[in-house]
Amino acid sequence: AQKVTQAQTEISVVEKEDVTLDCVYETRDTTYYLFWYKQPPSGELVFLIRRNSFDEQNEISGRYSWNFQKSTSSFNFTITASQVVDSAVYFCALSEVYGQNFVFGPGTRLSVLP
Amino acid sequence: DTAVSQTPKYLVTQMGNDKSIKCEQNLGHDTMYWYKQDSKKFLKIMFSYNNKELIINETVPNRFSPKSPDKAHLNLHINSLELGDSAVYFCASSQEAANTGELFFGEGSRLTVL
Repeated sequence: AQKVTQAQTEISVVEKEDVTLDCVYETRDTTYYLFWYKQPPSGELVFLIRRNSFDEQNEISGRYSWNFQKSTSSFNFTITASQVVDSAVYFCALSEVYGQNFVFGPGTRLSVLP
Repeated sequence: DTAVSQTPKYLVTQMGNDKSIKCEQNLGHDTMYWYKQDSKKFLKIMFSYNNKELIINETVPNRFSPKSPDKAHLNLHINSLELGDSAVYFCASSQEAANTGELFFGEGSRLTVL
């Protein structure tokens, strides 16, 4: 069965600090997809990134970067030079069948203090 | 135009009542979902529909029933509401065949049972 663990329940950082959110997953499939979603205080769920299991290249998008390591079943998310607007709950998710059967981790609440 | 829209956004009702939450997507997606987010922010899938066929039915009480009149709509009907049903319910859609696997979420419907 698929499972996603986000061990950090809450993280607080001061603005401009770098922060890494951890995500560890379990799956028996060789083909799967990993995602990160952001839920700001306003409540909507915002898609950030998708990664398939055959692409271990790290990705950078502005201040965001993702480190996918199949050997450790991890898909960690780093925010560089954090800003107050980054304050949100961040969810890691796993899909074993393409586009379906999403399982979300419990989320990490990030607070960026001014 | 909003891609995934759900109504109402807020719903306050008494225990024992029956209520419905409507969801519509204008993305032409094949699969629609209902997720429940509890007070601890944990996201749990309740149902998904693919071309009007139920393909996932997690262990939710049978007081909850999804109804899909067509591919663009997936409504959630709840009978005999209980206090524990208070949560935010998110509708989502995904394109099974598209090369994204991304879930598009509605804004959520906050249900409060008194």
